[in-house]
Amino acid sequence: EPEVTQTPSHQVTQMGQEVILRCVPISNHLYFYWYRQILGQKVEFLVSFYNNEISEKSEIFDDQFSVERPDGSNFTLKIRSTKLEDSAMYFCASRRIGRYEQYFGPGTRLTVT
Amino acid sequence: AQKVTQAQTEISVVEKEDVTLDCVYETRDTTYYLFWYKQPPSGELVFLIRRNSFDEQNEISGRYSWNFQKSTSSFNFTITASQVVDSAVYFCALSDANFGNEKLTFGTGTRLTIIP
Repeated sequence: EPEVTQTPSHQVTQMGQEVILRCVPISNHLYFYWYRQILGQKVEFLVSFYNNEISEKSEIFDDQFSVERPDGSNFTLKIRSTKLEDSAMYFCASRRIGRYEQYFGPGTRLTVT
Repeated sequence: AQKVTQAQTEISVVEKEDVTLDCVYETRDTTYYLFWYKQPPSGELVFLIRRNSFDEQNEISGRYSWNFQKSTSSFNFTITASQVVDSAVYFCALSDANFGNEKLTFGTGTRLTIIP
């Protein structure tokens, strides 16, 4: 069964550094999302992406964040200058046209020190 | 604005007992979707079910059943004859059906522990 994959599974970075989180959505899915979950809290929407552009973004998704689909398979989230409060689990999700359920990857745990 | 409330923060039951997880939602949209996701200790989010706002028929899948009641804005999830493998955090989520606004709004989750 096709799955969303994410790399790395854990990333440790220093405050102020740039990080890129990578995702490979399910191959026939055309809608892509990033969510984050601070430890022990609820899952929060960051951004949705369709047809090579952002459909919607949350207040969390400020100028420090960007997304890109650099090729036909990868979907990336970049945090330009990480802050301590960016420490969280970041989930990528995707869905098919005509279906509303989103399938999530296993997540990348980002630790900012 | 959309909101999902899961008032039960933690529930513990003994194996083989039935357990119901509550979910109450708020939305101004007339068409929307409701979901349940499971987050086992390994951390991934596993899709369990999607429900359309225009379809109030309850659903059963094995030991799982879902009760959608539009009149009370609730979408409750029942596990029958619980098993240790059901131990996880369960999230209820809501999205509207308008293109470009299909983000998921999650509740705070209910941590379910099944005691052997």
